[in-house]
Amino acid sequence: KNQVEQSPQSLIILEGKNCTLQCNYTVSPFSNLRWYKQDTGRGPVSLTIMTFSENTKSNGRYTATLDADTKQSSLHITASQLSDSASYICVVSGPGGSYIPTFGRGTSLIVHP
Amino acid sequence: DAEITQSPRHKITETGRQVTLACHQTWNHNNMFWYRQDLGHGLRLIHYSYGVQDTNKGEVSDGYSVSRSNTEDLPLTLESAASSQTSVYFCASSESRGAATGELFFGEGSRLTVL
Repeated sequence: KNQVEQSPQSLIILEGKNCTLQCNYTVSPFSNLRWYKQDTGRGPVSLTIMTFSENTKSNGRYTATLDADTKQSSLHITASQLSDSASYICVVSGPGGSYIPTFGRGTSLIVHP
Repeated sequence: DAEITQSPRHKITETGRQVTLACHQTWNHNNMFWYRQDLGHGLRLIHYSYGVQDTNKGEVSDGYSVSRSNTEDLPLTLESAASSQTSVYFCASSESRGAATGELFFGEGSRLTVL
């Protein structure tokens, strides 16, 4: 069964600090992995997409990594800001436009001033 | 700008009543999805559609139905609302082809309370 596991479930950090969120998956075949950010009371929004051949991709202070061999991804947030407080969801898709993506349960991040 | 909108954003209903949540997208996407989000479960797929007249059941489809009569809309109906269906519902859409497929565009959510 395709699964996506995220850790930690929740995380509290101080503003300005860095943090790393983890995502392990068993989805096969694999096409891409996306990290979504979901602010409280809003729908998720895509932060970055990682395909099989990509190891690292940055989007501002967000850097995602992918190890397709071990089926692990991480999302690193540098110099956190209060606006980073949100849920971060890892979503893995197989090939083809009609493949149903598999969702992780998300990591809830709280950034304190 | 293209967008995806849900209505109503908030609804309170009683057990046994029929409820319909609307979802309208202007992206011209073929794929549309309905999810529910509950604490401890994350987003779970209820129903999805790959195009007009196509509908499919997701992992938590019992008690829900959808219909797709045009590209833009995928209404979600709760035939007889139950307290277990109290949740936040998200509609999403995506392109059906291309290497960059998979990005889901979500609505803002509909919070449903069943008393």
